[in-house]
This record gives sequence, C-alpha cells and structure tokens, in this order.
Amino acid sequence: GEKVEQHESTLSVREGDSAVINCTYTDTASSYFPWYKQEAGKSLHFVIDIRSNVDRKQSQRLTVLLDKKAKRFSLHITATQPEDSAIYFCAAFGGGYKVVFGSGTRLLVSP
Amino acid sequence: DMKVTQMPRYLIKRMGENVLLECGQDMSHETMYWYRQDPGLGLQLIYISYDVDSNSEGDIPKGYRVSRKKREHFSLILDSAKTNQTSVYFCASSYRDRENTLYFGAGTRLSVL
Repeated sequence: GEKVEQHESTLSVREGDSAVINCTYTDTASSYFPWYKQEAGKSLHFVIDIRSNVDRKQSQRLTVLLDKKAKRFSLHITATQPEDSAIYFCAAFGGGYKVVFGSGTRLLVSP
Repeated sequence: DMKVTQMPRYLIKRMGENVLLECGQDMSHETMYWYRQDPGLGLQLIYISYDVDSNSEGDIPKGYRVSRKKREHFSLILDSAKTNQTSVYFCASSYRDRENTLYFGAGTRLSVL
C-alpha cells in the first residue's frame, strides 16, 4: 500500500522567513495530496491540496509543489507568522479511498 | 453546520476492560475513518468505513473492531484494552468521491493503565 514519508520532524524559522516541508510517496497511482494543520492541543484541519494534473498550486501564503517523477511534494509557507506554528501533515490518497498520512512536521515560528 | 463529534474526549481504562469510542457526523458523509495518533508516528489508519455495514481494515486493525449501523455514526471498539493502545484517537469523515477533504473530530485521549 501507499506510504508517505515526511522528511522534517521539526522546523524552526524566524517570523517573516519562509518554511518548506517535504514529503515523498511510494504509489505512482496516487493522484491527490492534501495537507493538514494541527495546532497545539487541537484537531486537524485541511489547509491546501494538489492534484496530479498540476505541478503547482498557490493559496495566499501557501504553495504546494508536486514532482511526479520523483514522487515528491512540498509545502512552502512564505512570510511566516507566529500563528503558522503547528504540526503540518502531508497525505496521499492510496487505494480504496485510504488516506495515508506522513509523520508530521512541527513548525515553530519565533518572533 | 459541518461537524464531527467524538465522545468521550478523555477516557481512562484499566488493562483488560472494554472500550467504546463514538463518532458522529452531520454531513451525510459516506466515508468515515478511525486513526490513532502517536508521537513520531503521525496518524495511522485503523479502519475505514465506506457506508453502513461496509467496513475495511486499515494499516493497524489488530485489537480493534468497528461498527457502523447508521451513516452518521461510527464506533471504535477495543475488546480487552491493552496498555499499548494508549493513544489519541481521531475520527474523520468525507464524501465518497476519491479526492475529498477529511473533516476531523476533536479526538479522544485514551489512557489504558
């Protein structure tokens, strides 16, 4: 089945800097890659996604890049703010509607 | 109002006791999920349900079973809980289309002593 590896377990940046979180997946049939955010002590909520028919998607300060050949996708956050501090999870839709998550990246944005 | 509700939010049980975690959603989503979250491991899929009485094992189903008798309700059952089942359990739901957003509940923190 699909496996998703999230490469950075923690990431520390200064407010205003950019942050990049990288993920790789194994199943070449996967075609949808969402990202979720979990703030401290809270549940997960959707932030952005990308489908395999494009290689880039932007939503305000968030951009997702997809490299299908390398089976790699990444989340770029520009002009980081303290409220961006959270755990970010990448995910991939595997077979049978199963959504497989990475292990999460804890992003710390310091003033 | 799009909501996934999990009950209880916190639960302490002794090893060997039975545990029932409940999840409800008000969006008529066909697909529902149970995940557990452990530090460093992210979210691991326990079970997925495609609709009433249509359930499938996820990646770590051992020691768990599920029940879905109504579309809006999905239960996770631990028969004779073990200490290694101490975790935070999340329920999620989505429409059945292949690529759809998951809506998560607030989670249940289970401690098995």
